[in-house]
This record gives sequence, structure tokens and C-alpha cells, in this order.
Amino acid sequence: EVQLVETGGGLVQPGNSLKLSCATSGFTFSTAWMNWIRQTPGKRLEWLAQIEDKSNNYFISYLESVKGRFTISRDDSKSSVYLQMNNLKEEDTAIYYCTFNYPGIQFAYWGQGTLVTVSS
Amino acid sequence: DVLMTQTPVSLPVSLGGQVSISCRSSQSLVHSDGNTYLHWYLQKPGQSPQLLIYRVSNRFSGVPDRFSGSGSGTDFTLKISRVEPEDLGVYYCLQSTHFPNTFGAGTKLELK
Repeated sequence: EVQLVETGGGLVQPGNSLKLSCATSGFTFSTAWMNWIRQTPGKRLEWLAQIEDKSNNYFISYLESVKGRFTISRDDSKSSVYLQMNNLKEEDTAIYYCTFNYPGIQFAYWGQGTLVTVSS
Repeated sequence: DVLMTQTPVSLPVSLGGQVSISCRSSQSLVHSDGNTYLHWYLQKPGQSPQLLIYRVSNRFSGVPDRFSGSGSGTDFTLKISRVEPEDLGVYYCLQSTHFPNTFGAGTKLELK
């Protein structure tokens, strides 16, 4: 059974940092392209970042609006993916999901999400 | 970025009925590799989104054949026949042909 479990969310003040983790099981993590997506309080879904697998040199891509503030990384030995978020803003308040792709199939499975609230 | 426009925003339905949801993109979703990367997701109340249809018309594992996807270019449709209670929730389309991936705003399927 495929499982993705996000952790690390919480309440943080503007300008501070937070690191999200996503532990996975039930699929071959080392060859999976992993993604982070968020859902705003208004229920809008927004793709944030993707990290490809070793065969693609762990190529990384970001949504332009988070580039420079957010960093995606992975640890294949732990079947985990991470999202380091710096200089957080109130508009970063959202539920953050990790997902992965099968070839040609986008965001096949999602975790349950972790809530990040940025507020003073 | 590619704008994905879903209609309607809200869709009242009777159990057992049939509905269609439209998703239009601001650019053609035909990729240079010949595929069209348009996908449909359902988010049930209190749950994460789940994949229903990938690449326009392919049902994902475990998705019943009451769900069907069609369309081409910039105009796509998700049809749900014989609606059941577990089909209620918000439906989203997603394009992954162009960078960055972009989602529609969602269509809420609810009981009349």
C-alpha cells in the first residue's frame, strides 16, 4: 500500500522558517519524481516544487513565486522528501501535500497534508 | 502560466444522475511528444485530492467506469454517470503539459 506522511507543519511568525518532511512507503522511492503542492484556505491548489530521481541527476524545478525561499530535497536512503521554507509570509498559509508521479501520470498519490499557518 | 477554467463552480446532482464538468485551458495542452497532459482529481470532504483520470481519458487504478474523460486541445470534459454518495466533493483539473503545472479552481459536486 502506498503511503505518504507529511509532518513538520505548525504556527510560525512571518519571516521565520519551517522544514516539512514526507516519509513514504509502498513504492520504489528511489526512482520516483517527488513533488510538493499546497492548498490555500480558499481551496486553490498550487504546485510548488519537484525533484527528479538520481538517473536525472536529482533535477529540481520550482514555482517562480517560491524560488529562492523554498528548497526541496530528498533522502533516498530514508524514502523521504523535504521542503525547507524560509522567510515565510502570511500568504504561505496552506495545507502542504507531498505527491509523486508515475511515468506520464501526474500526482498519482497524495499524503494527508500538513497545515502551515504563518501569522504574528 | 496556463490558465485552467472550470465550469460550473457548483453542480447540484441527484443520486443516480449524470453530470459533466468542463475544463478549458488558455493554451493547447498537446505536448511536443504528442500526448495531452490533462488530469482530473476528486477531493472528498476532509480528504486529500485523489487521481481519477490521467492524460484526458485514462482511469486510474480502482476508479469505476462511471467516470469518463474526454476532450482535446483546450477543451476537456469529465462525465460522471449514476452518481453515488461517495462521488460528492470538489473536482479539479490539472495540466502538466506546460511549466508550471496549473490546476483549475474546482467544481463542487453536491446533492440537490
